[in-house]
Amino acid sequence: QQQVKQSPQSLIVQKGGISIINCAYENTAFDYFPWYQQFPGKGPALLIAIRPDVSEKKEGRFTISFNKSAKQFSLHIMDSQPGDSATYFCAGTQGGSEKLVFGKGTKLTVNP
Amino acid sequence: DVKVTQSSRYLVKRTGEKVFLECVQDMDHENMFWYRQDPGLGLRLIYFSYDVKMKEKGDIPEGYSVSREKKERFSLILESASTNQTSMYLCASSLLPRVGTEAFFGQGTRLTVV
Repeated sequence: QQQVKQSPQSLIVQKGGISIINCAYENTAFDYFPWYQQFPGKGPALLIAIRPDVSEKKEGRFTISFNKSAKQFSLHIMDSQPGDSATYFCAGTQGGSEKLVFGKGTKLTVNP
Repeated sequence: DVKVTQSSRYLVKRTGEKVFLECVQDMDHENMFWYRQDPGLGLRLIYFSYDVKMKEKGDIPEGYSVSREKKERFSLILESASTNQTSMYLCASSLLPRVGTEAFFGQGTRLTVV
């Protein structure tokens, strides 16, 4: 099965809070897990990505946590800002495959 | 700066019309993709192409076809538009498959079929 399940569908956080988006995958052959960020009126853009040989990757305020045994990974946005308000997509892909399998997206709203 | 350009931001077409959505990338990427984005359904792959004149069906190819005559250009064709094809269409490109390859997206074409 190729699905990537993402939750929640929408999330409202106060400025300065922590935003957490969760994803679960089924295909154990997946070996690359990117997160894409999409602002209104724009196409998605790569935000951060992780491979399953590490449990955590941090870039600034954005952190991916990866649990290979549970087949789950999550995006944490620390000190969330109104400018982080966007739709976030997790995805998985298998090495050598052209295709990304996307979650259904999470609309994040950060209130000032 | 890398760029994927979709020819139209907004399109309104009538039921039964043949519709062409055009996409051009300037990064010399081998792979190009067409996705459809609908609220609550995320990004669904319609077709992709890994080389000129080569194409493969994605998850929802019914009612669509594609054309790739040049490396930089990938067209999505709605043979006979229907109202259930009203959606946001996103084009993307990437290099040859390898772990960590980034997909670059265009800004999208919002198609309304009336």
